[in-house]
Amino acid sequence: ILNVEQSPQSLHVQEGDSTNFTCSFPSSNFYALHWYRWETAKSPEALFVMTLNGDEKKKGRISATLNTKEGYSYLYIKGSQPEDSATYLCAFDKAAGNKLTFGGGTRVLVKP
Amino acid sequence: GAVVSQHPSWVICKSGTSVKIECRSLDFQATTMFWYRQFPKQSLMLMATSNEGSKATYEQGVEKDKFLINHASLTLSTLTVTSAHPEDSSFYICSASGQAGELFFGEGSRLTVL
Repeated sequence: ILNVEQSPQSLHVQEGDSTNFTCSFPSSNFYALHWYRWETAKSPEALFVMTLNGDEKKKGRISATLNTKEGYSYLYIKGSQPEDSATYLCAFDKAAGNKLTFGGGTRVLVKP
Repeated sequence: GAVVSQHPSWVICKSGTSVKIECRSLDFQATTMFWYRQFPKQSLMLMATSNEGSKATYEQGVEKDKFLINHASLTLSTLTVTSAHPEDSSFYICSASGQAGELFFGEGSRLTVL
């Protein structure tokens, strides 16, 4: 059983503040690490697919880094806004084919 | 962007009945679709991989005779929970692979078995 952990499980952020949270995954048999943003009653929305050690990706105020050697990825939200409130999921892919192992998610609540 | 539609969003059924959940790719052809379930306070767990025109591949511990998956066309996969029991109550969600390998999710279906 693959162990994909996200920390913290939830966090409250004041509007305008920046925040970050972690996804840890097995450092062996790595193919890709996916990040999703999941708002209540909506479909999970793909943010990033990261494949290379040291990779950094950015989408607006959200960015992510990847360390495959030590098995972790950080997701950063800069200048948090209420619309950033969602559950952020990471998912480990050990081989091409999109059979993902998900972490438990980090639930972010941005307070105005 | 690509859209995957899942129906129904929620369903309540009596114990012993069967429930069908549909997953449709609305604007692209999906040769592969995936079915996940999520129990309260737990992660999304992959149940099975559904390939168009062939039998689904089930993950360890998932009963293939209980969770029937049909992927008869490039835009539709169905999951039928047969003889549902209260322990099958869960959130079920599908995803579909686009041509470039990207993954798109449905909105999910919440099943409650009384």
